[in-house]
Amino acid sequence: GAVVSQHPSRVICKSGTSVKIECRSLDFQATTMFWYRQFPKQSLMLMATSNEGSKATYEQGVEKDKFLINHASLTLSTLTVTSAHPEDSSFYICSAKENTIYFGEGSWLTVV
Amino acid sequence: GESVGLHLPTLSVQEGDNSIINCAYSNSASDYFIWYKQESGKGPQFIIDIRSNMDKRQGQRVTVLLNKTVKHLSLQIAATQPGDSAVYFCAENSAGGGNKLTFGTGTQLKVEL
Repeated sequence: GAVVSQHPSRVICKSGTSVKIECRSLDFQATTMFWYRQFPKQSLMLMATSNEGSKATYEQGVEKDKFLINHASLTLSTLTVTSAHPEDSSFYICSAKENTIYFGEGSWLTVV
Repeated sequence: GESVGLHLPTLSVQEGDNSIINCAYSNSASDYFIWYKQESGKGPQFIIDIRSNMDKRQGQRVTVLLNKTVKHLSLQIAATQPGDSAVYFCAENSAGGGNKLTFGTGTQLKVEL
């Protein structure tokens, strides 16, 4: 099936700094990608829809100034967690559609 | 909001037995459903999907059943193997919702030897 890749798979950052996570569709173009967040033993919660060439659409309760999304090309979307705090520590996962919806491997963020 | 300390429902089966994982969905407008398998520390892996114009679809060792009347979805895994141990999520999508998925709470499948 189609491959969606995320980088980095794990990142540790200091509180107050920003960290960027990349999501790439490796063998197909994706005008739309999605960013999810998942806490341990919980389900995936949609954070935002990343739209190529236009602004992202955020779900209710998600701070757009804190979670910056850039979809600059048809194969790349980035999520930047700005001024990270320990409560932002989580598993972040992206998805994209080709025939069906595929997910990346996820990125573990730990804020210390 | 998020539930701290939420425990996933767990299904324990013996190796070689069949597993049935159930999911109730809420949106009657949902017309596309996907089952994902998620192993610890990894992203969800596509297993099988079904559209609302069908009530059954089979894959390799897996079958998905859809009952639109009661808004219920099930995943059947035949001859369950240790490698099937994971958390299984159902996800629903409605035609008017783009490609946004709404996920169920998930079920932890444990395969006992």
